[in-house]
Amino acid sequence: ETGVTQTPRHLVMGMTNKKSLKCEQHLGHNAMYWYKQSAKKPLELMFVYSLEERVENNSVPSRFSPECPNSSHLFLHLHTLQPEDSALYLCASSQAMARGAGANVLTFGAGSRLTVL
Amino acid sequence: AQSVSQHNHHVILSEAASLELGCNYSYGGTVNLFWYVQYPGQHLQLLLKYFSGDPLVKGIKGFEAEFIKSKFSFNLRKPSVQWSDTAEYFCAVIHSGGSYIPTFGRGTSLIVHP
Repeated sequence: ETGVTQTPRHLVMGMTNKKSLKCEQHLGHNAMYWYKQSAKKPLELMFVYSLEERVENNSVPSRFSPECPNSSHLFLHLHTLQPEDSALYLCASSQAMARGAGANVLTFGAGSRLTVL
Repeated sequence: AQSVSQHNHHVILSEAASLELGCNYSYGGTVNLFWYVQYPGQHLQLLLKYFSGDPLVKGIKGFEAEFIKSKFSFNLRKPSVQWSDTAEYFCAVIHSGGSYIPTFGRGTSLIVHP
């Protein structure tokens, strides 16, 4: 365990379903991230929250909706997804995003494998 | 926008062979550089990092990387690989003038045959 826990580990959903991915970190970090990992593509940054405020929304379709109720929890709400959204969704956290923080070293969760039928 | 290129997408080696994985980035200013590794079925984890100082950085499990500013490169090396090094390796860059969010390369899949 890394201190970043993602649930569920596997999810299969139809295109009309609504589901959510959950991420929880026990590291005292104040920044949390969602990345999409698809085969043969770079890790794609989706959303970043710092101190519970969204600081980055990387042109992600509205069918993905993030929620960060506190600094320890991050959700990704899924609605009317497409088959091409099938991927491994990774949550990460980091201690700081401030200048001079020695850069952001990310701690990743194990990921949620999403399959959209 | 900055980008990170990993030119070796798939590398297959025999045990005891030497390894070098390429990483190039596009940003010309001050950067922080990382290599992350993802072992089969496991989470992404930090292998090593460069912030400043000695451009030759040593990480875990005998890995090292060299920052060559003039070449915009941060190649990962290991003199003698083991079967347990089979994994996906990702290079990442943060440029100090930006948002401090790392940009990742597409990864290099390394398979080491025993």
